[in-house]
Amino acid sequence: AQRVTQPEKLLSVFKGAPVELKCNYSYSGSPELFWYVQYSRQRLQLLLRHISRESIKGFTADLNKGETSFHLKKPFAQEEDSAMYYCALADTGRRALTFGSGTRLQVQP
Amino acid sequence: GAGVSQSPSNKVTEKGKDVELRCDPISGHTALYWYRQSLGQGLEFLIYFQGNSAPDKSGLPSDRFSAERTGGSVSTLTIQRTQQEDSAVYLCASSLAGGEQETQYFGPGTRLLVL
Repeated sequence: AQRVTQPEKLLSVFKGAPVELKCNYSYSGSPELFWYVQYSRQRLQLLLRHISRESIKGFTADLNKGETSFHLKKPFAQEEDSAMYYCALADTGRRALTFGSGTRLQVQP
Repeated sequence: GAGVSQSPSNKVTEKGKDVELRCDPISGHTALYWYRQSLGQGLEFLIYFQGNSAPDKSGLPSDRFSAERTGGSVSTLTIQRTQQEDSAVYLCASSLAGGEQETQYFGPGTRLLVL
């Protein structure tokens, strides 16, 4: 069965510091991976997906099939990046998302 | 346009009672998902509807949980004989056609507390 692991419950950094939110997955097929974000008092929303190879709000994520990882990175954190971040994997058979347990990012001034 | 809406936003009930949670997906979205987020846990898949196909109920934790989707639009998640471990935030999401690469758009959730 597929699994998504986010080893850090909380990541606290200072403004301007680099950020890396870790995500590892296990899946027997070709994965479709996403990062979703939930800002305070807002609903869960898509941040980026690996298929698009895009940078959103300065964040990027590269799929590393050898290490089965999809870490989220940003070179210079901003206070408005403080939120809960969830890594998710789409099951090509079931279509539903399998989520990690989430990492709370705290960017301090 | 309007996003996914859910009602009620909060529900407090007594153990043993039945509850109904409602989800209105984005107009035109054929795929609808229910997830559950328990305290300190990630989101857990419950059930998936796609068009007129039979729903994927593989995530429902027990036979006390059921869901239906009427007319391919509004969905209701019913929990019978609620237990304290059912306390969680129940999230609904919809996507255009249910493809695995599609964005899922989430509602604000219903926070359920079973006393």
